[in-house]
Parts: sequence; structure tokens; C-alpha cells
Amino acid sequence: GNSVTQMEGPVTLSEEAFLTINCTYTATGYPSLFWYVQYPGEGLQLLLKATKADDKGSNKGFEATYRKETTSFHLEKGSVQVSDSAVYFCALTFFYNQGGKLIFGQGTELSVKP
Amino acid sequence: NAGVTQTPKFHILKIGQSMTLQCTQDMNHNYMYWYRQDPGMGLKLIYYSVGAGITDKGEVPNGYNVSRSTTEDFPLRLELAAPSQTSVYFCASSLTEAFFGQGTRLTVV
Repeated sequence: GNSVTQMEGPVTLSEEAFLTINCTYTATGYPSLFWYVQYPGEGLQLLLKATKADDKGSNKGFEATYRKETTSFHLEKGSVQVSDSAVYFCALTFFYNQGGKLIFGQGTELSVKP
Repeated sequence: NAGVTQTPKFHILKIGQSMTLQCTQDMNHNYMYWYRQDPGMGLKLIYYSVGAGITDKGEVPNGYNVSRSTTEDFPLRLELAAPSQTSVYFCASSLTEAFFGQGTRLTVV
């Protein structure tokens, strides 16, 4: 079946450090891939997306590249801020033949210290 | 533009009681979903709908029911609440990307 695996958290970094959160997926076919962010006490917000192989999604300094050969979609940011502290979810979906359902990884909590 | 609105935000339910979690969206999206979020488990799909009058089970549907009489509304019904249903519930809607509500934190005691 289809699934998403993320690196376990929590991840604790100092401000201005480089961030990588690993995400790999198992899927039959070619899904669209997403990173969602959840700030404390809030719902999930779309951070970035990529809909086909080699696409790079980017937003707010975060980037992720859809790598079909390694079935990965790792999230990176060059210099994190305290305000980036949140839980990050990697997800996949097949919009047109599976009702648009999102399949999520387990989430990775990021804590950024001043 | 309100997006996806869930009510209530918090609720405490006694074992065996029933309740309905409300979800409404104003974006005219066909797809709507209910997820539950448990610590360290990500989000699991409970039910989803591809349009008014059409619903289908997700990964963890037992103990829940849904209906979709209009495009805007997608209520989730808990019958005979159990402690295992203590969770945070998220409703979402999508056209090509999903938008989530703020969540309902439900405790069953």
C-alpha cells in the first residue's frame, strides 16, 4: 500500500542552523507530494508541494525536491528561526483516482532555540 | 474568506454518549475529509466525501458516521463514545490542495 515515513523527532536546533527533515514514500504510481506545518494549537497549513518528479517546491525559505529514483521528498532550510518551531508533516496523494485523500507521515517536531 | 470552520474547539464527552462534530467550508470544494491526530501517529483518515451525497470510509472508520447533504457541510457523528476516541479531529477540504480547520480536541472520560 501507499505510505510515508519521516525521520523521528523531536529535532532541536539552534537559530540559524541548517535543517533537514527526511521523508521517503512508498506508492504505486506517481503521487503529488506535500509538506504541511502545524504550529502549536493550530490546524495544518500547506508549506510547499511538488506534483511531478524533479519538481522543487519552495516557500518561506523551505525547499524540497521530488526525487523519484530515491522516492524521497526531504525538507530543507538554510537558516532556521525560532518562529519555525512546529510539527512538520510529509504527505502524498493521488488526486484524480483516489478521491484526493492525503496519506501522512507521523510528523516531525522541530524546536529552534535562540 | 473563512475557509474551513470546525465546531466545537474543545469538548469533554462521557463514555457511551454521542455527539456531532461540525465542519463547514465556504470554498465550494468537492472533496472533504475527516482525520484524527494522535500523538506520534500522524493523521489517520476516518471518512471522506467526493461530493454531496457521496461518502466513503477511510483508514479508521469504526465508531464514526458521516453525511454530506450539501457541498458546504460534512458533520462527523460519534455514537457510543469510547476512551479510544479521545483525539484531535481535523476536517479538511480540497480542490487540488487541502485546507484544514483548526481542529476539535475531544476527550472521552
